Amino acid sequence: DVKVTQSSRYLVKRTGEKVFLECVQDMDHENMFWYRQDPGLGLRLIYFSYDVKMKEKGDIPEGYSVSREKKERFSLILESASTNQTSMYLCASSFVPEGSYEQYFGPGTRLTVT
Amino acid sequence: AQSVTQLDSHVSVSEGTPVLLRCNYSSSYSPSLFWYVQHPNKGLQLLLKYTSAATLVKGINGFEAEFKKSETSFHLTKPSAHMSDAAEYFCVVSFSGGYNKLIFGAGTRLAVHP
Repeated sequence: DVKVTQSSRYLVKRTGEKVFLECVQDMDHENMFWYRQDPGLGLRLIYFSYDVKMKEKGDIPEGYSVSREKKERFSLILESASTNQTSMYLCASSFVPEGSYEQYFGPGTRLTVT
Repeated sequence: AQSVTQLDSHVSVSEGTPVLLRCNYSSSYSPSLFWYVQHPNKGLQLLLKYTSAATLVKGINGFEAEFKKSETSFHLTKPSAHMSDAAEYFCVVSFSGGYNKLIFGAGTRLAVHP
């Protein structure tokens, strides 16, 4: 079974802090994704990566950056956390670039910024 | 442009009665379509997917969905609801080609009453 793990289930940070969210997948997938999930909005793509050191902006990249130094690990960085970044963050991975294949999701990190 | 509309934000059924969760999509290309389920405090799990093969797709836990191109719909059904089906359900469309980007509907929360 594919396993996607995220470093924290719950995180509380203060406004202005730098925040790192880590995601690791164990199936040698090329593609990895970061989403945020908000009630009534579904999931929105923040960034994705299709290879090591490669990244592409998603639909809502502002205020975020990413890092992918190793194939299995994809980090989301909030350079200066703000209260409007309070949300559920979901990481996902997939094997092939074509859209007909599913993405595998981690359990999510619920981030609260105070 | 691709988009997904889930027509109901909340659906409530009694245990043992049929479930219908409605989804309409908009896509300039031949779409791949998915239904994902998210149980409380869990990550997203794939229920089923349509990738231009049979138009009636069977998924896990007794769910199925029918792709209707003329109606641009992909409604999710189950003949008899179980208490364990209570969750949030997301209809998702993917580009044909590209980097496996998924577009999520806003979600439908299914409640199942005894």
